[in-house]
Amino acid sequence: ELKVEQNPLFLSMQEGKNYTIYCNYSTTSDRLYWYRQDPGKSLESLFVLLSNGAVKQEGRLMASLDTKARLSTLHITAAVHDLSATYFCAVDTGAASKLTFGTGTRLQVTL
Amino acid sequence: DVKVTQSSRYLVKRTGEKVFLECVQDMDHENMFWYRQDPGLGLRLIYFSYDVKMKEKGDIPEGYSVSREKKERFSLILESASTNQTSMYLCATRGWVDTEAFFGQGTRLTVV
Repeated sequence: ELKVEQNPLFLSMQEGKNYTIYCNYSTTSDRLYWYRQDPGKSLESLFVLLSNGAVKQEGRLMASLDTKARLSTLHITAAVHDLSATYFCAVDTGAASKLTFGTGTRLQVTL
Repeated sequence: DVKVTQSSRYLVKRTGEKVFLECVQDMDHENMFWYRQDPGLGLRLIYFSYDVKMKEKGDIPEGYSVSREKKERFSLILESASTNQTSMYLCATRGWVDTEAFFGQGTRLTVV
């Protein structure tokens, strides 16, 4: 059974600081997705990573994928309050197009 | 833009009731999914469908069934609602591999 683990589960950080969220998964895959969820809202796609070494950046967020280590990271640079949300990674094993999600990381950016 | 619409944002039902959650997508995607979201557990897959009238069990199908009579519509059915089915339910749709899934706005179901 595929397991997808994220850490930390909760992250409180100050504005202006950098931090990284980690996503580990237990089976071979070279397709990984990051989503953002605001409180009371649905999930919004952030990044699609489709190969080993893939790196995508959008504003203060950068995601990367290391398929050999079965690890993806979501790096936050100079955090701002607007980034406060829950972030999920999801792994695609190619089996019937279903995605398996991690438990989520709740990010709180404080002034 | 992909639009995935769930029929209700909030529902309150009584124990033992039969509950229908409806999801409609307008992007002609083959794959549709029902997830359940609970604090600390992330999203867990209940059922998915890759074609009309086709369905597959996900990780937690017990107590649920689904129906897909038309490509754009995927229904989740709670045959006899129980309090442990109180949760946020999310519908998603997806084209084929290498594409992201798109989510509906979610239905927060409370079973009393």
